[in-house]
Amino acid sequence: RKEVEQDPGPFNVPEGATVAFNCTYSNSASQSFFWYRQDCRKEPKLLMSVYSSGNEDGRFTAQLNRASQYISLLIRDSKLSDSATYLCVVSGNTGKLIFGQGTTLQVKP
Amino acid sequence: DAGVIQSPRHEVTEMGQEVTLRCKPISGHDYLFWYRQTMMRGLELLIYFNNNVPIDDSGMPEDRFSAKMPNASFSTLKIQPSEPRDSAVYFCASSFLGGELKKLFFGSGTQLSVL
Repeated sequence: RKEVEQDPGPFNVPEGATVAFNCTYSNSASQSFFWYRQDCRKEPKLLMSVYSSGNEDGRFTAQLNRASQYISLLIRDSKLSDSATYLCVVSGNTGKLIFGQGTTLQVKP
Repeated sequence: DAGVIQSPRHEVTEMGQEVTLRCKPISGHDYLFWYRQTMMRGLELLIYFNNNVPIDDSGMPEDRFSAKMPNASFSTLKIQPSEPRDSAVYFCASSFLGGELKKLFFGSGTQLSVL
């Protein structure tokens, strides 16, 4: 079983739609959680951290469920520019960050 | 701030040749990571350093791969001999372990093609 698992998609949605991505992790001792975004042929970049209480950044909302070892990312009012691959990232207390395979989002006009 | 600098951007080589990838992390960062990305396997952590010391190299595929960090501003990933299955994008990333937030800054990557 992979340490971090994501549905690879692709998710094809129209502009303005709401879309949600899920991620599960296997190590219950994991401490830090992130969502990264990767555009085609580019390096990954941090989108947002994920906090236990849930957090929001504009149209993006991240949630963490430690009991179920589950992380989610919700994107509201999708834009064409949101098309990318979204990577779930999990870290323990050693500094080691493990990436999921990524979920591809394609927003259509 | 120049960010994480990797070289070369592209490398094309023949099977059996030695390949050396280079990375300069962001000044002041105390962690350095080497990742490999392929369509089939996604982003795989190969090795990471803390204060120039290798902490976990369990992701290094085999003895053909080696990595060094002789000082805080430079790291290399070497493949000798290279094989076609090593073809991938190799990313270097650095971070600073401060508080509870560990944000990775990636270089632009090295696209390696082994023929």
